[in-house]
Amino acid sequence: SQQGEEDPQALSIQEGENATMNCSYKTSINNLQWYRQNSGRGLVHLILIRSNEREKHSGRLRVTLDTSKKSSSLLITASRAADTASYFCATDESGGGADGLTFGKGTHLIIQP
Amino acid sequence: NAGVTQTPKFQVLKTGQSMTLQCAQDMNHEYMSWYRQDPGMGLRLIHYSVGAGITDQGEVPNGYNVSRSTTEDFPLRLLSAAPSQTSVYFCASSLSTENIQYFGAGTRLSVL
Repeated sequence: SQQGEEDPQALSIQEGENATMNCSYKTSINNLQWYRQNSGRGLVHLILIRSNEREKHSGRLRVTLDTSKKSSSLLITASRAADTASYFCATDESGGGADGLTFGKGTHLIIQP
Repeated sequence: NAGVTQTPKFQVLKTGQSMTLQCAQDMNHEYMSWYRQDPGMGLRLIHYSVGAGITDQGEVPNGYNVSRSTTEDFPLRLLSAAPSQTSVYFCASSLSTENIQYFGAGTRLSVL
């Protein structure tokens, strides 16, 4: 069954504002990753945070991880129209094996110009 | 490098027909996976492979077969297509460390 659940399912903000998306998961993980999907395209990896990390930055992206609450958040600062896309969290579950990632259902982000 | 290449981009099948979705990667990645994406469901893992000659089932394997004869190729076979297999299919590859997935552009499949 799917592990991650993103919140909100959809988010519409004005260009220049910050966008925050949340993800919850159920089992122990090695790492948690965020991906972006533009309409009609494949997923693109954005950022990875390991289970022993609490916060990570990459450009305008900030990811936090709280393993005690089994949750993560993705913050996109100073949003741009080009950030309009669906964003998915995905977990690499611990316990051995490389059996793909477990994806959430995604947050659809719309940036209004 | 082309990355992960999927063919075809679009396909329409009739119920009961069989077909193979092709996936190739040129990054020498050990791991390869197939996912399907349905509206409101996110991505679900169908089958995966940790190396040539090794495959295993994911969350939704029924109705699909895979093989991995080379590191580069990981085809997905639909044995007898059903309308429930109408979906967008994504192939992905990754290195063993940290499992960052590189996705193909997808195959949009409709089964009538």
